[in-house]
Amino acid sequence: SQQGEEDPQALSIQEGENATMNCSYKTSINNLQWYRQNSGRGLVHLILIRSNEREKHSGRLRVTLDTSKKSSSLLITASRAADTASYFCATVRGGGADGLTFGKGTHLIIQP
Amino acid sequence: GAVVSQHPSWVICKSGTSVKIECRSLDFQATTMFWYRQFPKQSLMLMATSNEGSKATYEQGVEKDKFLINHASLTLSTLTVTSAHPEDSSFYICSAIAGGPADTQYFGPGTRLTVL
Repeated sequence: SQQGEEDPQALSIQEGENATMNCSYKTSINNLQWYRQNSGRGLVHLILIRSNEREKHSGRLRVTLDTSKKSSSLLITASRAADTASYFCATVRGGGADGLTFGKGTHLIIQP
Repeated sequence: GAVVSQHPSWVICKSGTSVKIECRSLDFQATTMFWYRQFPKQSLMLMATSNEGSKATYEQGVEKDKFLINHASLTLSTLTVTSAHPEDSSFYICSAIAGGPADTQYFGPGTRLTVL
């Protein structure tokens, strides 16, 4: 079953604006990850936030995690056309070497 | 960084034929590899977990006799779609971890399968 649920499903903004995507999940997690996928391509790992962390930054990316609400957000600041892609949150079900459960994704379009 | 390759990147086949997809970790040994399937405009769904030297673990609803997985070495896992049908047309992506918790999975570029 789908664990993560992103919203919005699609987002179109102007270049230079900030883009915020949200993700909710249902079960306890050890960490939550965000990935980017360009059309028809593989996945690129963006950032991982552990369950005991509340916020994490990486370049123009800012991720927050609220375990009490079982939700996370990904903020991309000063968006660029190259940021156009689909973004997925993903969680690991167990504590060991387990597969990822992906959310439905947000398709982000940055208009020049 | 860790690199995972897949071969082929795309394949078109006739209904009823079998197709083999390879997933290789190029610069690390992958104790565990995962196979995902992604239908157009949808998310990725985990199909199975592949551990070197042991039988794969399949997710609920995934037919193990149809999707044969072999993890013969620490750098290679193969997915064979047997007797492929048009509904098997999808984007198949593998990932690999070096060991321990699946904190960071390294994804291959994917294989697009089209069954006519």
